[in-house]
Amino acid sequence: AQSVTQLDSHVSVSEGTPVLLRCNYSSSYSPSLFWYVQHPNKGLQLLLKYTSAATLVKGINGFEAEFKKSETSFHLTKPSAHMSDAAEYFCADSGTYKYIFGTGTRLKVLA
Amino acid sequence: NAGVTQTPKFQVLKTGQSMTLQCAQDMNHNSMYWYRQDPGMGLRLIYYSASEGTTDKGEVPNGYNVSRLNKREFSLRLESAAPSQTSVYFCASSPDRGLYQPQHFGDGTRLSIL
Repeated sequence: AQSVTQLDSHVSVSEGTPVLLRCNYSSSYSPSLFWYVQHPNKGLQLLLKYTSAATLVKGINGFEAEFKKSETSFHLTKPSAHMSDAAEYFCADSGTYKYIFGTGTRLKVLA
Repeated sequence: NAGVTQTPKFQVLKTGQSMTLQCAQDMNHNSMYWYRQDPGMGLRLIYYSASEGTTDKGEVPNGYNVSRLNKREFSLRLESAAPSQTSVYFCASSPDRGLYQPQHFGDGTRLSIL
């Protein structure tokens, strides 16, 4: 069955340090993976998407994600966190034409 | 460029009351969706419309109805509101309902049922 698991519900980092938000997928089909960000009282905004053209995907605001089929993972990274990155992040898969979202990871950035 | 617009932004209802949440998109997208977001549960699909004139149930359709009024508008109706329907509701749209199609979200309607 298709599923998306975000391994951490909360992540805290210091400003200027790297960010790692983890996502694992389970799909019988080739996955179609996305990362979205949600700021308070806002809707979800697309950060990046995996389209099978390249395993390393670059998104907006310095974020990138690497698709690893052997590990069924699509982790989101950023080299240096900024205060404005504090938000909730969602991984999603539409690999079977049915959009499945993870339960989200809340990122806290400490000054 | 407005994108996806939801109205109202906030609403408080009493149990048993009815109301309709409105959603409109100006991106000429074919597919539209209604989700609810509850703490720790991510987003759950209520209903979707793959194209104008069609609607289908999602993961949690009970207690809701939808209308795809035209290509731009997709409304969600609560006929008899229950406290369990207290949630944040998001409307989204995508060019089509297929692989690699990102969804574009409105800012949500925060609904409380007393």
